[in-house]
Amino acid sequence: DTGVSQDPRHKITKRGQNVTFRCDPISEHNRLYWYRQTLGQGPEFLTYFQNEAQLEKSRLLSDRFSAERPKGSFSTLEIQRTEQGDSAMYLCASSGTHLYTFGSGTRLTVV
Amino acid sequence: TQLLEQSPQFLSIQEGENLTVYCNSSSVFSSLQWYRQEPGEGPVLLVTVVTGGEVKKLKRLTFQFGDARKDSSLHITAAQPGDTGLYLCAGADQTGANNLFFGTGTRLTVIP
Repeated sequence: DTGVSQDPRHKITKRGQNVTFRCDPISEHNRLYWYRQTLGQGPEFLTYFQNEAQLEKSRLLSDRFSAERPKGSFSTLEIQRTEQGDSAMYLCASSGTHLYTFGSGTRLTVV
Repeated sequence: TQLLEQSPQFLSIQEGENLTVYCNSSSVFSSLQWYRQEPGEGPVLLVTVVTGGEVKKLKRLTFQFGDARKDSSLHITAAQPGDTGLYLCAGADQTGANNLFFGTGTRLTVIP
């Protein structure tokens, strides 16, 4: 296992389109997190899963954002009706205990 | 919202100099982590400190967790150009969820 994988690495989309990002965590990690990072800022927590259960989603930025982890393995983050303000790096991380491992992120550009 | 403030935001120093980056909050964290991030990549964990007053050394890097578990510092001795990057501190909340709340980062440039 080589770490946390995110796909795609880059996504350019037109305003109003829907986008979906995938995250494959480290297999033995039961927790999976999504963060958003805008230019010049630290990552901002969005949501997290313990196995397949989404235990925190109040920090999702709007009802256009949703995340799933159907079988407790990979996760998807969907943004509906994208806006230019959604342009950012979307990071996924997984953890066992204290130790987080981040993926390389998906950079979204909304034009 | 647990806010973490890092200072300085930007730091440009000559190779061989020492530097300290500070991470402060009014919130108490169960642990505090330091990351380094390269452009276009995710953050990479450098260290986790868990106990108030804890000091950890990683080669030329020294990390300290405040006694009250609200603040931390990162000290780099004899900085090298390879240390250039964005340094982020992140506090884990005490809910048991281990959610991380990040500071805004310190962008370090080490000039050869």
